[in-house]
Amino acid sequence: GENVGLHLPTLSVQEGDNSIINCAYSNSASDYFIWYKQESGKGPQFIIDIRSNMDKRQGQRVTVLLNKTVKHLSLQIAATQPGDSAVYFCAESSGGYNKLIFGAGTRLAVHP
Amino acid sequence: AAGVIQSPRHLIKEKRETATLKCYPIPRHDTVYWYQQGPGQDPQFLISFYEKMQSDKGSIPDRFSAQQFSDYHSELNMSSLELGDSALYFCASSLMGEGSPLHFGNGTRLTVT
Repeated sequence: GENVGLHLPTLSVQEGDNSIINCAYSNSASDYFIWYKQESGKGPQFIIDIRSNMDKRQGQRVTVLLNKTVKHLSLQIAATQPGDSAVYFCAESSGGYNKLIFGAGTRLAVHP
Repeated sequence: AAGVIQSPRHLIKEKRETATLKCYPIPRHDTVYWYQQGPGQDPQFLISFYEKMQSDKGSIPDRFSAQQFSDYHSELNMSSLELGDSALYFCASSLMGEGSPLHFGNGTRLTVT
């Protein structure tokens, strides 16, 4: 696939464990953040987003935490399943045009 | 639900040839974005259009151009192709406004030989 993993950090977890994927963003002016999941041969798939006036947001099995002080974003996946195996990207934007700047991806490998 | 449609899915071209990639956004979305993703890399923003006008420009080479048509579909035109242009090209669409996530298509894989 397009993500051959040569340059991607990998997080390996056991099925049923919780996963935490971290991201350091670059622009202190960014006010909107998104986590995307990308499976081989597919485009990035929206998981969850958060605005800069929040520090936590929860979805179904996922939680995003935002620490603006240190420009850090994390994605927590509860009860990780084999179907969660993919590359995960954080992305940031500022202003109203929604152009996203992606961070480096992390490959999540879930073992049964 | 309807998603972003890209065509073709795969394209093989030789050096110095031209290529045209097409993108059909989600209905009622008014903004289209183009991204390039190399192997093992994060997607890099190329260009975006809002209501048929260019709204932002990223690392798009001068050899590339794009436009958005009256039906909101977009085309990315690539000329004088180089080996380094081989990549996945994604189109995304959204509604203009803060807090509107981008929805991506499944991309066009361009191989330049």
